[in-house]
Amino acid sequence: DARVTQTPRHKVTEMGQEVTMRCQPILGHNTVFWYRQTMMQGLELLAYFRNRAPLDDSGMPKDRFSAEMPDATLATLKIQPSEPRDSAVYFCASGHGQGALIGHQPQHFGDGTRLSIL
Amino acid sequence: KQEVTQIPAALSVPEGENLVLNCSFTDSAIYNLQWFRQDPGKGLTSLLLIQSSQREQTSGRLNASLDKSSGRSTLYIAASQPGDSATYLCAVPRKYSTLTFGKGTMLLVSP
Repeated sequence: DARVTQTPRHKVTEMGQEVTMRCQPILGHNTVFWYRQTMMQGLELLAYFRNRAPLDDSGMPKDRFSAEMPDATLATLKIQPSEPRDSAVYFCASGHGQGALIGHQPQHFGDGTRLSIL
Repeated sequence: KQEVTQIPAALSVPEGENLVLNCSFTDSAIYNLQWFRQDPGKGLTSLLLIQSSQREQTSGRLNASLDKSSGRSTLYIAASQPGDSATYLCAVPRKYSTLTFGKGTMLLVSP
């Protein structure tokens, strides 16, 4: 079965450190989503890409978060500097979308990166 | 702004019971409604997708219904099993937009 792969699965680091999370979407999928999940807020969309181009990153704190797709097989989410409030599980999902339809396609999720900022 | 609410937040039942999970949404201008399952430490797995023109969708022991006008969906699980224990989330996209998720219902089915 094709799967979305996220690394690392767990990350513990101190406040102020840079954190990089990676995602390998399913081959052939042209849309990649980054989500954050916390107990308080639930699942929130941070950013998404279509054909490697960022379509919307309005869910991300711009001053510290950045998301990129260096190539079709890799998406990255960086936090610099990290803060304790960034502690959460970060999910990547991929799917195949057409035109303006964003949320209508089936999304395939990775198992997430559990991030703890001390 | 679309808001999605799931009730109850947690549910514990003995094996074999039929059960219903509820999902409500504030904006009825939805394109479809999706139900996901999340196991501990894992990502989300898509269970059912109901198009806005449909009333229900079935997969095995799962049946999801949709009432757009009242802003409600239910997920019915028949003859529950311990393997059904997980968190169930519903999500809706507005037309041309991304998914808005509920916070989920944590289900525990005891043997």
